[in-house]
Amino acid sequence: GAVVSQHPSWVICKSGTSVKIECRSLDFQATTMFWYRQFPKQSLMLMATSNEGSKATYEQGVEKDKFLINHASLTLSTLTVTSAHPEDSSFYICSASQGRNTGELFFGEGSRLTVL
Amino acid sequence: GDSVTQMEGPVTLSEEAFLTINCTYTATGYPSLFWYVQYPGEGLQLLLKATKADDKGSNKGFEATYRKETTSFHLEKGSVQVSDSAVYFCALLSGGSYIPTFGRGTSLIVHP
Repeated sequence: GAVVSQHPSWVICKSGTSVKIECRSLDFQATTMFWYRQFPKQSLMLMATSNEGSKATYEQGVEKDKFLINHASLTLSTLTVTSAHPEDSSFYICSASQGRNTGELFFGEGSRLTVL
Repeated sequence: GDSVTQMEGPVTLSEEAFLTINCTYTATGYPSLFWYVQYPGEGLQLLLKATKADDKGSNKGFEATYRKETTSFHLEKGSVQVSDSAVYFCALLSGGSYIPTFGRGTSLIVHP
């Protein structure tokens, strides 16, 4: 099946710094990528939908200036958590779609962010 | 709007027990239905799917049947193993959409 890779898997940073998480589709072109945040009780929250070459569409309540998303190519989307604070600590997961008709999403391994 | 409701967990079973995780949905039209599995510390991966009514998705001993009349897609396995311990997510994708709707996830814990 298609492979999506996230990097880094783990990151620990100091409060006030910015952290970038990369999401790559390794063997297919992903016109659309999704960024999720997973809370401790396991529910997935869709943060934004990222389309190659255009601005990301953010879900209600997600601060676009806080969570910068860039989808500069068909195989790479990045999420930058700016001026991170301890409450931003979470598990962030990206996923990619091959197109509207498949329905299936391919998920990255996830990135655990801990802000001290 | 679309929604997916899963039974609350955790579901705790002994090895070789029968598993059912309930999933019901609300959607317009005829959505595609999915079960994803998330092992500890990992992202989600597709377990099985069904795209039309009465279809049965199956993989790794897990099965789920698309029941339009009851708007359900319950996940079953006849004999669970410790290695099946994970969080299971039910999801749907409405026709014409590319943004799936996920349930809250159900944690499964299998004891030896």
